[in-house]
Amino acid sequence: GAGVSQSPSNKVTEKGKDVELRCDPISGHTALYWYRQSLGQGLEFLIYFQGNSAPDKSGLPSDRFSAERTGGSVSTLTIQRTQQEDSAVYLCASSSTGGLGPDTQYFGPGTRLTVL
Amino acid sequence: AQKVTQAQTEISVVEKEDVTLDCVYETRDTTYYLFWYKQPPSGELVFLIRRNSFDEQNEISGRYSWNFQKSTSSFNFTITASQVVDSAVYFCALSEAWTNDYKLSFGAGTTVTVRA
Repeated sequence: GAGVSQSPSNKVTEKGKDVELRCDPISGHTALYWYRQSLGQGLEFLIYFQGNSAPDKSGLPSDRFSAERTGGSVSTLTIQRTQQEDSAVYLCASSSTGGLGPDTQYFGPGTRLTVL
Repeated sequence: AQKVTQAQTEISVVEKEDVTLDCVYETRDTTYYLFWYKQPPSGELVFLIRRNSFDEQNEISGRYSWNFQKSTSSFNFTITASQVVDSAVYFCALSEAWTNDYKLSFGAGTTVTVRA
């Protein structure tokens, strides 16, 4: 079946603009995660969704970052008033839950965001 | 505090050599999960293995093998008879049950270069 898809694959924006990044998880996966990969910070967790709710937003770096998930499927990560330090690759992962312990998180190809 | 430490930043080997990647983790949880992911130059994170804290059996999958030792909090990964296609960044990650969301804490990664 299809894996996790993300769009756009690349996004170049000007400082101060808003951007939206999209993630389409593997069909049937109830858990969805956003991570960020940057040279200075490595791979860091941003937010987790179980269904449509986001019980853990602890990784969002500032109030300029928000995310939503509708219909228990597609998720959108929004960054308002982008700054140069937001430049990174944004990765989405999904997993099925239930049973004992976590199922494996499968990652999408990422969105490379460049803020000029 | 860094939960996962990959002390080796870069490793370069000649094809057919064996290479071992070190991973040391830190957790107070008794139930946790360890993962290895591969990130080839294309950028997508590829799942390799998942182990839970109650299963210390070593595992072999083709040329890959993993050595899990709770006594030293290590989960090392060996590639036997390396090939050029093994060139990638390898990440070790930890997921702790107490978080309830099983988010991944990644190490900094080890870049493996296999020369022909």
